[in-house]
Amino acid sequence: AQTVTQSQPEMSVQEAETVTLSCTYDTSESDYYLFWYKQPPSRQMILVIRQEAYKQQNATENRFSVNFQKAAKSFSLKISDSQLGDAAMYFCACRANSKLTFGKGITLSVRP
Amino acid sequence: ETGVTQTPRHLVMGMTNKKSLKCEQHLGHNAMYWYKQSAKKPLELMFVYNFKEQTENNSVPSRFSPECPNSSHLFLHLHTLQPEDSALYLCASSQDASGVRGTDTQYFGPGTRLTVL
Repeated sequence: AQTVTQSQPEMSVQEAETVTLSCTYDTSESDYYLFWYKQPPSRQMILVIRQEAYKQQNATENRFSVNFQKAAKSFSLKISDSQLGDAAMYFCACRANSKLTFGKGITLSVRP
Repeated sequence: ETGVTQTPRHLVMGMTNKKSLKCEQHLGHNAMYWYKQSAKKPLELMFVYNFKEQTENNSVPSRFSPECPNSSHLFLHLHTLQPEDSALYLCASSQDASGVRGTDTQYFGPGTRLTVL
């Protein structure tokens, strides 16, 4: 069975600053995928970024990038130039053996 | 945000009621999922359908009954629920649930906020 751990329940960042959300995972599978999802208050969960475990290069999507440390089983999300619209709950997830497992999530607030 | 739709968005029901949640995906996907999201807990996978066949039932009580008439529609029939079943129920879809590389990304609907009195 795989596990995903998000140990920080809440974080806060000043608008225009950079914030890093941490996530660790554990799986016995060699082929797996990692995701960060964003769930704004009362709104739909959307995919932020996706990383294939077999790729060494860190995924990047505009202001969002990951730091994938495979040996440490760490998958952190960096948000640059934070915007008010980035305020949401962020979930880290791991898909292995056809099963997607989520962490408990972290609530990110953005200070104007 | 219109790729996966869910109705109703809010539902209040008594413990003796029977109701159904509906999910529809417009992405041409073949796999559909039901998740339960409770406060302070990770998302819990409930059911998986791949090409209309149920491939996973994650030890869900029988008071929850899924139905997948085709690859675009997924229902969750509810009866004799308990107050602890109150939660946000999320539907998701992906190209395929079999784990084939590149087909794994799941897209979520807005959810149905269910309250059981």
